[in-house]
Amino acid sequence: QKEVEQNSGPLSVPEGAIASLNCTYSDRGSQSFFWYRQYSGKSPELIMFIYSNGDKEDGRFTAQLNKASQYVSLLIRDSQPSDSATYLCAVRGGGTSYGKLTFGQGTILTVHP
Amino acid sequence: EPEVTQTPSHQVTQMGQEVILRCVPISNHLYFYWYRQILGQKVEFLVSFYNNEISEKSEIFDDQFSVERPDGSNFTLKIRSTKLEDSAMYFCASMRGTYSNQPQHFGDGTRLSIL
Repeated sequence: QKEVEQNSGPLSVPEGAIASLNCTYSDRGSQSFFWYRQYSGKSPELIMFIYSNGDKEDGRFTAQLNKASQYVSLLIRDSQPSDSATYLCAVRGGGTSYGKLTFGQGTILTVHP
Repeated sequence: EPEVTQTPSHQVTQMGQEVILRCVPISNHLYFYWYRQILGQKVEFLVSFYNNEISEKSEIFDDQFSVERPDGSNFTLKIRSTKLEDSAMYFCASMRGTYSNQPQHFGDGTRLSIL
């Protein structure tokens, strides 16, 4: 069974610090990797995605992908209290998966003032 | 910015009744999905739909469930004979294509409560 694993947390960081969120996946054929933010009772909101090895930066967010280690991470710089949410790692397989996403259980992030 | 819209936002139904959850995907998207999230659990894939037919479905998506795209805009999930364990948030998502750089966009969800 193809799985996506995240540390459920909670991860607590002070305002202004860097939050580091990690995710591992089991399917070596996975092609694309997505980070979604989910506030309680709300739908997943796309933050960013990555599909090539290395780093991808977008504002305060950096996604890192290492396919050899089957590892993807999200760094949030200058964390703000409004960043407090559950962060979902989602993986899209290759082949004939028709784009299905497999989600991790999410990491709860709390940014305290 | 175009968005996926879902109705209703909250549906309360007696056990054994049928429910239809509705979604309007983004207009130029070709791939459509339903996911569900039971309270406190991970988001789970139910079904994908492309070219007017189911392209993939999970073990959860049994004969109780069906999907339909009755016209050029709506995408529906029907749950027949609902059970208590069907209570969850149901999310519709759409995607333009399956290239690596194409993300799925999610609707706000329908909270389904089975009594």
